[in-house]
Amino acid sequence: EVQLLESGGDLVQPGGSLRLSCAASGFTFSSYAMSWVRQAPGKGLEWVSAISGNGGTTYYADSVRGRITISRDNSRNTLYVQMNNVRAEDTAVYYCAKIPRWGYGMDVWGQGTTVTVSS
Amino acid sequence: EIVLTQSPGTLSLSPGERATLSCRASQSVSSSYLAWYQHKPGQGPRLLIYGASSRATGIPDRFGGGGSGTDFTLTISRLEPEDFAVYYCQQFGSSSYTFGQGTKLEIK
Repeated sequence: EVQLLESGGDLVQPGGSLRLSCAASGFTFSSYAMSWVRQAPGKGLEWVSAISGNGGTTYYADSVRGRITISRDNSRNTLYVQMNNVRAEDTAVYYCAKIPRWGYGMDVWGQGTTVTVSS
Repeated sequence: EIVLTQSPGTLSLSPGERATLSCRASQSVSSSYLAWYQHKPGQGPRLLIYGASSRATGIPDRFGGGGSGTDFTLTISRLEPEDFAVYYCQQFGSSSYTFGQGTKLEIK
């Protein structure tokens, strides 16, 4: 079964750091680009970042560029996002998603992990 | 950045009725790169349509997508109880993805 499982969400203070993980199973992880998407409380979906299958190409939303770094470890079938200098507006449920082909939607999603930024 | 505007914000219909959701882009979008999702509370979003009109694996044929350029639609031909959720369009262009703000489909 194709599955994505996020972890690492927590309560973090403004200005702090956090790393989220997404464990993949059921497919050849290194063959697919991956993405992070978030949903703030009461808001819609917001794309955060994406990375190619070999990790050589990364994309970021303007709202997080310079504060968030996406990466992957294909030997561990795991996707990461390092969040630095977090702000209250980073509070959200963070989903990881599989990209079958650039631009052709995101066909597998995890259940999400919750990040709360508050003092 | 391409902005996607969905309408209506909320759509109130009854099971068995037809739903038409709209997604308008601030500039032309490649049809290949337009997708639709269904999202229910507590779950990850579900890909319904990719390439503007192709149904994703396992999606019932009551879901249909169409449009081109700046205007796209998602149609649900006969609403089932499980179809009431929030729907998002998404595009990919200029090395970034954007989502519309969503349409909430609620039971009338």
